Amino acid sequence: QKEVEQNSGPLSVPEGAIASLNCTYSDRGSQSFFWYRQYSGKSPELIMFIYSNGDKEDGRFTAQLNKASQYVSLLIRDSQPSDSATYLCAVAISNFGNEKLTFGTGTRLTIIP
Amino acid sequence: DAGVTQSPTHLIKTRGQQVTLRCSPKSGHDTVSWYQQALGQGPQFIFQYYEEEERQRGNFPDRFSGHQFPNYSSELNVNALLLGDSALYLCASSFGGKGDTQYFGPGTRLTVL
Repeated sequence: QKEVEQNSGPLSVPEGAIASLNCTYSDRGSQSFFWYRQYSGKSPELIMFIYSNGDKEDGRFTAQLNKASQYVSLLIRDSQPSDSATYLCAVAISNFGNEKLTFGTGTRLTIIP
Repeated sequence: DAGVTQSPTHLIKTRGQQVTLRCSPKSGHDTVSWYQQALGQGPQFIFQYYEEEERQRGNFPDRFSGHQFPNYSSELNVNALLLGDSALYLCASSFGGKGDTQYFGPGTRLTVL
């Protein structure tokens, strides 16, 4: 079982709709959860992080965390063509305070105009 | 506010050669982590440096080594290059000796022929 799993997609969403990206993780000791956006040929760009159960909103983005289900998601409202990218879910699995990030393989999102 | 910088941008080497990649962290950051991202995969953690010491290491062979300088910049060295070392090498910086909330540099694209 992979430590962090994401549906590789591609996920196609019409412009203006809500895009929903999902991620599950295996280590119950995971402390911090991150969503990165990566355009083709570029490096990952941090979108949001979440530490506590529930929802966290930032503009058009909402991160949702459910530690009991070991599940984290990212919702993108009013999707724009510029949102077309690969979205990487990352988990910090604390090891005596030296947190490395463990990434999923990413979900490729395409916004259809 | 300077972000994370990496050099060179691209590099082509042949099997058996050695390579050194460089990274300068974001202003105010003191922790540097290195990741390898193969095509179509998520970034894989190589190691993390804090206070000029390797704090944590991922599942990479000893051919991969690093260094952190007093100004917090870092180098990644790879010896005896293999074809499978071809990837995007990412440097991420963070603050306070912790690996969370990491910000990535633009990456170095290494091609091994």
